Amino acid sequence: GDSVTQMEGPVTLSEEAFLTINCTYTATGYPSLFWYVQYPGEGLQLLLKATKADDKGSNKGFEATYRKETTSFHLEKGSVQVSDSAVYFCALLYGNKLVFGAGTILRVKS
Amino acid sequence: GAVVSQHPSWVICKSGTSVKIECRSLDFQATTMFWYRQFPKQSLMLMATSNEGSKATYEQGVEKDKFLINHASLTLSTLTVTSAHPEDSSFYICSASESSDYGYTFGSGTRLTVV
Repeated sequence: GDSVTQMEGPVTLSEEAFLTINCTYTATGYPSLFWYVQYPGEGLQLLLKATKADDKGSNKGFEATYRKETTSFHLEKGSVQVSDSAVYFCALLYGNKLVFGAGTILRVKS
Repeated sequence: GAVVSQHPSWVICKSGTSVKIECRSLDFQATTMFWYRQFPKQSLMLMATSNEGSKATYEQGVEKDKFLINHASLTLSTLTVTSAHPEDSSFYICSASESSDYGYTFGSGTRLTVV
């Protein structure tokens, strides 16, 4: 079945460092891809999405490009802040269901 | 934007009792709602999909008699954990969708602790 694989965390960075969180997927067809963020004790918030190959989703300085050839949707940010500390989930839409990766904890130190 | 309200945000109950968790879409009609369970430091596990006016569809391995889902209106779905036991303690999250084209909005989650 369809699945999502994320890099294991935690990822610990200093403020203003460059962030990459890798995400690859396995799917039949061409699913929509998402990044969600979860702050401690809260539900998930949609960070960005891409619905077709070569689409770039972006929001709050975060970006991810839908790469069909490498089946990837890596999350990047040029300069992280302490407030970006959270858990990040990559997901794909399979039918009407979201399939999530395991999540990557990001810790940003000041 | 779309808002999903989940209530309560946390609940402690005694073993053997039942607990109801509500999920409401505040500014849109949700034809489909989803219930997830999240264990500490783990991803979300889809428990069931509910469609307004019909029976919920449960994922493999989820006990439908233990986790009762009702989606009586286009803005409200409830999850009732029946005869709760300590192993049911978890973080439960709902999400709602007006249609898959509009994306999915998540509630803030409910921390259930069974003692």
